[in-house]
Amino acid sequence: KQEVTQIPAALSVPEGENLVLNCSFTDSAIYNLQWFRQDPGKGLTSLLLIQSSQREQTSGRLNASLDKSSGRSTLYIAASQPGDSATYLCAVPTDSSYKLIFGSGTRLLVRP
Amino acid sequence: DAGVIQSPRHEVTEMGQEVTLRCKPISGHNSLFWYRQTMMRGLELLIYFNNNVPIDDSGMPEDRFSAKMPNASFSTLKIQPSEPRDSAVYFCASSPTNYEQYFGPGTRLTVT
Repeated sequence: KQEVTQIPAALSVPEGENLVLNCSFTDSAIYNLQWFRQDPGKGLTSLLLIQSSQREQTSGRLNASLDKSSGRSTLYIAASQPGDSATYLCAVPTDSSYKLIFGSGTRLLVRP
Repeated sequence: DAGVIQSPRHEVTEMGQEVTLRCKPISGHNSLFWYRQTMMRGLELLIYFNNNVPIDDSGMPEDRFSAKMPNASFSTLKIQPSEPRDSAVYFCASSPTNYEQYFGPGTRLTVT
């Protein structure tokens, strides 16, 4: 059974720092991995999706990497801003279906 | 594109009442998902549809929950009768064929 873990559960950094969020999964036979952002009281916003054949994806100041063999993904945020404050979740589909298994998220606070 | 649309955004009801949540997926997406999010359990998949057909409802908590998708542009999640433990945020998401899921803003349900 696939399990997804995110560490740390919470992170507080000063504005301008580069930071890394971690996601690990127990079953390396994944089709892809998706990173989401959730603002308080809001829905989830898809940030990046990495296919199993890819090693990384970039969007603006965000870079996500994927290492299937070790069961890990990282989300790198460059030059963090207070507007980046949110909860970040990673998710992987179970086997060949569309069902996503979510990590519990990392709550990020970027201090001005 | 308006994104995934959910209504109502907030619902407060008394125990025993019927609750109906509504979702309009993104046009052209062939998969639709209903999730529930609570502090204790995080994000849980309740049911997903592919081409309007329910594929997996194993996440539906009990018979009080039912979901329908009468056409490609509309889905409902019904709880009858509602109980206080059903209080949560319910998300609808849709997906095209590449597995990337797009979430709606959610319905915050409070059952008193």
